[in-house]
Amino acid sequence: DQQVKQNSPSLSVQEGRISILNCDYTNSMFDYFLWYKKYPAEGPTFLISISSIKDKNEDGRFTVFLNKSAKHLSLHIVPSQPGDSAVYFCAASDRGTGNQFYFGTGTSLTVIP
Amino acid sequence: DAGITQSPRHKVTETGTPVTLRCHQTENHRYMYWYRQDPGHGLRLIHYSYGVKDTDKGEVSDGYSVSRSKTEDFLLTLESATSSQTSVYFCAISESGQGIGGYTFGSGTRLTVV
Repeated sequence: DQQVKQNSPSLSVQEGRISILNCDYTNSMFDYFLWYKKYPAEGPTFLISISSIKDKNEDGRFTVFLNKSAKHLSLHIVPSQPGDSAVYFCAASDRGTGNQFYFGTGTSLTVIP
Repeated sequence: DAGITQSPRHKVTETGTPVTLRCHQTENHRYMYWYRQDPGHGLRLIHYSYGVKDTDKGEVSDGYSVSRSKTEDFLLTLESATSSQTSVYFCAISESGQGIGGYTFGSGTRLTVV
């Protein structure tokens, strides 16, 4: 059973506009969340994280928002650039029980020049 | 990432044969992981290691075994490959057992079992 869900398999955005990628989770014990970016034929690369003690974390063009009551997080990319075109995975873990991150199924973002 | 390499990058094998995938790191990280990526499932943890000779099972460990005899190497073995094990396999490393700052992933091994 998928504990982390990304319900949009794909998203297309015009260059310069905002991209919003969404992620939902079911386990209320999850307290650490990550976003990864993946290009074809490469491994995922870490993008940004957020702890459950925060509701927002920002790094340059990337901002992650966490809504614990809704068990929802989102990644905002502003402004979107063609090089952002990739598959984005969210992942969550319960740090109290250790090592396992649960990943969503990914959203393929296409930024149109 | 130059700090982590997986071999082979591609492999085709027959059902019932044993297969070993290798992950090698030069970062001296304590924690190493094997994931598989499948359509509709994202990445799922197979096994992980928290030190030399210290390993544990992940979410989808059935049919897989691992070994870590040196800090830098983490081997994933399919004792008798099945078609359901056709997948892309990723190795990852981490300094932190809680994954703080995320994992560093290798480039993956595409395994096809025919």
